[in-house]
Amino acid sequence: QPVLTQSSSASASLGSSVRLTCTLSSGHNGYMIAWHQQQPGKAPRFLMRLEVSGNYNKGSGVPDRFSGSSFGADRYLTISNLQSEDEADYYCETWDTNTQIFGGGTTLTVV
Amino acid sequence: QVQLQESGPGLVRPSETLSLTCSVSGGSINRYYWGWVRQPPGKGLEWIGYVFYSGSTNYNPSLKSRVTISIDTSRNQFSLRLNSVTAADTAIYYCTRRSSCTDIWGQGTMVTVSS
Repeated sequence: QPVLTQSSSASASLGSSVRLTCTLSSGHNGYMIAWHQQQPGKAPRFLMRLEVSGNYNKGSGVPDRFSGSSFGADRYLTISNLQSEDEADYYCETWDTNTQIFGGGTTLTVV
Repeated sequence: QVQLQESGPGLVRPSETLSLTCSVSGGSINRYYWGWVRQPPGKGLEWIGYVFYSGSTNYNPSLKSRVTISIDTSRNQFSLRLNSVTAADTAIYYCTRRSSCTDIWGQGTMVTVSS
């Protein structure tokens, strides 16, 4: 089954852009993933489903500032025009026939 | 808009059974996969398992021997039972809906295992 690897932390300035990466393990380049945001003290929130092609489908109410892309085994979440409320943990998720896998999460700090 | 709400005891004694229910509102439970994810304090997300509306299930292999997830379509609810709990099972428990991926989360409920 696939393993998802994420950097533990990232930081970026208010108003700038940041790209978070989720890397699929060897042999699993063909998997689509989902991105979730967890603001401090809150439940996770579905952001988008991201296909191998780079096409993505966002959840209801997710701002246009959030976008996704793919390259090889890497799946990206790009946040433009960073706002203070974007400071959160971001998790990627994928799934196999009978299982569901989460990455370890990236803590994004907006400075 | 579909919403999920967890309910159940916030404190469970060691070696006993953790039982939670998730109520689905704003839509029918007669589609999709319905699951549970937990998050120990200060840690990441761990998939527990899910049930299809037909009743078929899949569980995390690390928890499979202790977990049962069931569904009651007449009540638009699904449930989690985790046997023989220890302090390591202390976590926030989230119920989820999965279509092609997890796309709806409940607000979560904190469960502490302690005597």
